[in-house]
Amino acid sequence: QKEVEQDPGPLSVPEGAIVSLNCTYSNSAFQYFMWYRQYSRKGPELLMYTYSSGNKEDGRFTAQVDKSSKYISLFIRDSQPSDSATYLCAMRGDSNYQLIWGAGTKLIIKP
Amino acid sequence: DTGVSQNPRHKITKRGQNVTFRCDPISEHNRLYWYRQTLGQGPEFLTYFQNEAQLEKSRLLSDRFSAERPKGSFSTLEIQRTEQGDSAMYLCASATGPNYGYTFGSGTRLTVV
Repeated sequence: QKEVEQDPGPLSVPEGAIVSLNCTYSNSAFQYFMWYRQYSRKGPELLMYTYSSGNKEDGRFTAQVDKSSKYISLFIRDSQPSDSATYLCAMRGDSNYQLIWGAGTKLIIKP
Repeated sequence: DTGVSQNPRHKITKRGQNVTFRCDPISEHNRLYWYRQTLGQGPEFLTYFQNEAQLEKSRLLSDRFSAERPKGSFSTLEIQRTEQGDSAMYLCASATGPNYGYTFGSGTRLTVV
């Protein structure tokens, strides 16, 4: 079993819909949680960065962390065709440098 | 400063040849990371520098791989005696500190034929 599980999709939704992307993890030591967006043939781009449990909002994006369930989510409101990309979750503990990544969810927003 | 720069963007090499990639991080970032990504997978950690010191190297990295960061500025990743299994996207990222997200470059896509 991988340390971080993420549904590869693809997830296809109509423009304007609310999108929910999720990751589950097994290591209770993880404290820092990130969401990255990756367009084809590009490097990942940081969208959200959260520490421990709770919610964080930035524009149309909301990140949620539930450490008790070892579950993190990214919500995208008013989705746009330009949001079509692969979304990767990443996380790490306090005492190491390595990020542990999910495999990514491919998101398609249909105009 | 336009972000993290990686060169070349794409490299095709024959099996057994050596290749070297370069990464120029954001100038004020003292932390630099190398990752490898294959299709449909998340990035896989290779190595980490804080300034010029290489502080961590993945156990998955064979002796054919070496990385340097002279003077704590740009970094190079060299792969010796390339194998077809080395074909991947090689990503470089930099950060200002441990509690900040990384900024990635666009990567170098290596194809070993």
